[in-house]
Amino acid sequence: GDSVTQMEGPVTLSEEACLTINCTYTATGYPSLFWYVQYPGEGLQLLLKATKADDKGSNKGFEATYRKETTSFHLEKGSVQVSDSAVYFCALTASRKTSYDKVIFGPGTSLSVIP
Amino acid sequence: AAGVIQSPRHLIKEKRETATLKCYPIPRHDTVYWYQQGPGQDPQFLISFYEKMQSDKGSIPDRFSAQQFSDYHSELNMSSLELGDSALYFCASSLRTSGRAPYEQYFGPGTRLTVT
Repeated sequence: GDSVTQMEGPVTLSEEACLTINCTYTATGYPSLFWYVQYPGEGLQLLLKATKADDKGSNKGFEATYRKETTSFHLEKGSVQVSDSAVYFCALTASRKTSYDKVIFGPGTSLSVIP
Repeated sequence: AAGVIQSPRHLIKEKRETATLKCYPIPRHDTVYWYQQGPGQDPQFLISFYEKMQSDKGSIPDRFSAQQFSDYHSELNMSSLELGDSALYFCASSLRTSGRAPYEQYFGPGTRLTVT
């Protein structure tokens, strides 16, 4: 079945460091890809998305490019801030018509940014 | 902008009790989804409804049932609660009649259920 794999956490970075969280997926066809962020004690927020190959999603300084050839959707940010401390989930929705409904999440990567 | 509303935000129940979680989707959204997120886990899809009909089903226990009402709000009913049901339960909504997949899901803040 469809699945998402992320790099293991937790990740601890100093403020202004570069961030990369690796994400790879397994899916039939052309899934849509997402990054969600969950701040401590809060719900899920959509951070960015990409719906087709070579699309780049971006938001709040974060970027991710849909790479079909490597089935990857790595999250990057050039300079992290303390306020970026959260859990990041890579996710997909399947492209098959009967499976549009569910979002399949990766295990999440916890990021802590220290001053 | 209006968001997905979930109630209650926190709920404490004892084993073998029942619980009802409510979800109010974004106005005009026609599809509701339920997810369960255990401690330190990723959210797992439970069930979804489109136009008041069950649309897809995931790893929802038989002790749980859900429905979507005529005003599109949804309720997740959980019976014979077990300690392992303690989790954060998310509701999400989307507008499927837009006809343009992916049907972006907007998540509510979640209901934290604690079973003691």
